[in-house]
Amino acid sequence: EPEVTQTPSHQVTQMGQEVILRCVPISNHLYFYWYRQILGQKVEFLVSFYNNEISEKSEIFDDQFSVERPDGSNFTLKIRSTKLEDSAMYFCASAPLIYEQYFGPGTRLTVT
Amino acid sequence: RKEVEQDPGPFNVPEGATVAFNCTYSNSASQSFFWYRQDCRKEPKLLMSVYSSGNEDGRFTAQLNRASQYISLLIRDSKLSDSATYLCVVNWRNTDKLIFGTGTRLQVFP
Repeated sequence: EPEVTQTPSHQVTQMGQEVILRCVPISNHLYFYWYRQILGQKVEFLVSFYNNEISEKSEIFDDQFSVERPDGSNFTLKIRSTKLEDSAMYFCASAPLIYEQYFGPGTRLTVT
Repeated sequence: RKEVEQDPGPFNVPEGATVAFNCTYSNSASQSFFWYRQDCRKEPKLLMSVYSSGNEDGRFTAQLNRASQYISLLIRDSKLSDSATYLCVVNWRNTDKLIFGTGTRLQVFP
């Protein structure tokens, strides 16, 4: 069964550094998403991406964040200057149609 | 009122028991509803979509009451492997932004 994959599984970075989290969505899916989950808290929407542009973003997704689909398979989330409060699990999701989203295993980001 | 509200539990039930989880949502414009399950430190996994007519998938039955803005999940004949956190998920208005509840933790014991 096709799955969403994410790399790396764990990323440790220092405050102020840039990080890029990578995702390979399921191949025939058209809609792509990033969510995050701070330890012990609920899953929070960050951004949705369709047809090579952002379709929706949350208030969390400020100018420090950007997304890109640089080729036909990868979908990336960049955080330009990480803060301590960016430490969380970041999940990529994809969907064949709007709404029914399938999640990757996540990247645990630790900012020190 | 929280966007999606669930009883956090935990629900501790013996194997074979029937257990029900409830969820309420605040936005009457929401159109899509789901139950996901999440194991500790893992990704949310889609369990089932919830339709107005109610739907069943094996031991799992989901119901939606739009008038009351209420969603339920019933698990029959609980297995040890059902132990997880069950997330009630609703789309925001008519977008594909998903709003997650905090989850209801289920622990099934032998």
